[in-house]
This record gives sequence, structure tokens and C-alpha cells, in this order.
Amino acid sequence: KAGVTQTPRYLIKTRGQQVTLSCSPISGHRSVSWYQQTPGQGLQFLFEYFSETQRNKGNFPGRFSGRQFSNSRSEMNVSTLELGDSALYLCASSSASGTYNEQFFGPGTRLTVL
Amino acid sequence: KQEVTQIPAALSVPEGENLVLNCSFTDSAIYNLQWFRQDPGKGLTSLLLIQSSQREQTSGRLNASLDKSSGRSTLYIAASQPGDSATYLCAVKGGNAGKSTFGDGTTLTVKP
Repeated sequence: KAGVTQTPRYLIKTRGQQVTLSCSPISGHRSVSWYQQTPGQGLQFLFEYFSETQRNKGNFPGRFSGRQFSNSRSEMNVSTLELGDSALYLCASSSASGTYNEQFFGPGTRLTVL
Repeated sequence: KQEVTQIPAALSVPEGENLVLNCSFTDSAIYNLQWFRQDPGKGLTSLLLIQSSQREQTSGRLNASLDKSSGRSTLYIAASQPGDSATYLCAVKGGNAGKSTFGDGTTLTVKP
């Protein structure tokens, strides 16, 4: 079974631009969660999608948004990029939303904002 | 608000040594706890998942325990190898069931 895939793997943008990141979960998994990882803040939860619905949201500004498609693939969008948005963005998939399910992570997208 | 702490932040051991990594959490109302390893610049690899009703899980040289009442988990690594060098993260899934709260990790270096 193929793992979680994320595209692109690396991105360089300038302040003020917007960016879209993509995540394809493991086949059959319907839940996708997004995390931001930075050296100063560690891993922070952005949001979770299940069956095309946002189920949970972390404490990030409205510039961060996401969506999920009927095939469970998910995208996250960051508008009006700031220098502080430079981070490794990780997505995780699990078979169902919530409680007991193991999360599997993709390799991440490294975003650099200049 | 759930807070997860991992101690120590860094650990260096000689090859062959057995070691324990610690993870503590403030809210014992959890659904599960998951241990991951992360190699530099890479994603997270799942090591072990312990459900809230379980006390421990084992996989090969790894053993993870969970004591919900005291808010603690340990990851035991037997006979460490240089290939075990990585950052180890614990993640707690709690009341907001879709969200996992991560510790800052323990960076392990195993010297040949």
C-alpha cells in the first residue's frame, strides 16, 4: 500500500504571495490532518478533514485554510504569506476521524518564505 | 489545554545501551498516545500506538508503556544501534479527538 504523499516537497515563495499544498492519504483513509512544524514552536495542529468536512481546527489565522475532495485528497492554502510561515508542513492520514486510529505521516512540504 | 513534555531534550549513548525516553501529559482524558521517530528534514514514522485502555505495546526492540493516571508514557529502546539516532516524538490524542498534541521531542544520538 502506498504511503501518504505530499506535493510539492519544496517551495520558495515571497512575502504576500499565496501557496497551495497537496496531500494524498493512504488508500482507504478518509481523515487527513495538517500540522506545521517549526524549530521554535514544534509541531502544531492546523486542521483535520474527514469526508470533505472540517472536523477540527487549531489556533491559526484565517490565512490558513484547507479543503478535502471526494477522493480524500486534501489541500491547504496559505494566503498573504509572512516570513513566519516558513516551516515544514506535514499531513497525516488515518482510517477514520477521531479517537483510536493510528496516524501516518507524509514526508512533508518544506516552505520557505523570502 | 493539553500540554506534552518530553525529557530529556537530547540524549547521547554508546551503542548497545538500553535507554528510556519519557513523555508526560497534563490531561489524563486521552484516547491514545503515539510514539514517532523523525529523521532530520523528514516526515514522522509511526513506532507504536497505545490506546487509552492499554498499558503497553511492543514492537521488536521497542516497548512503550502508558500510565494514564499519572500522565506518563515511556519508550524503552533495547540494545540501541546507530540507526536509532533520530528525534523521538510522542503525541497525545485527547478530548478534541481529531487533534494530536505533540511534545518537543527527544533527540537521540547512538555512538558506534
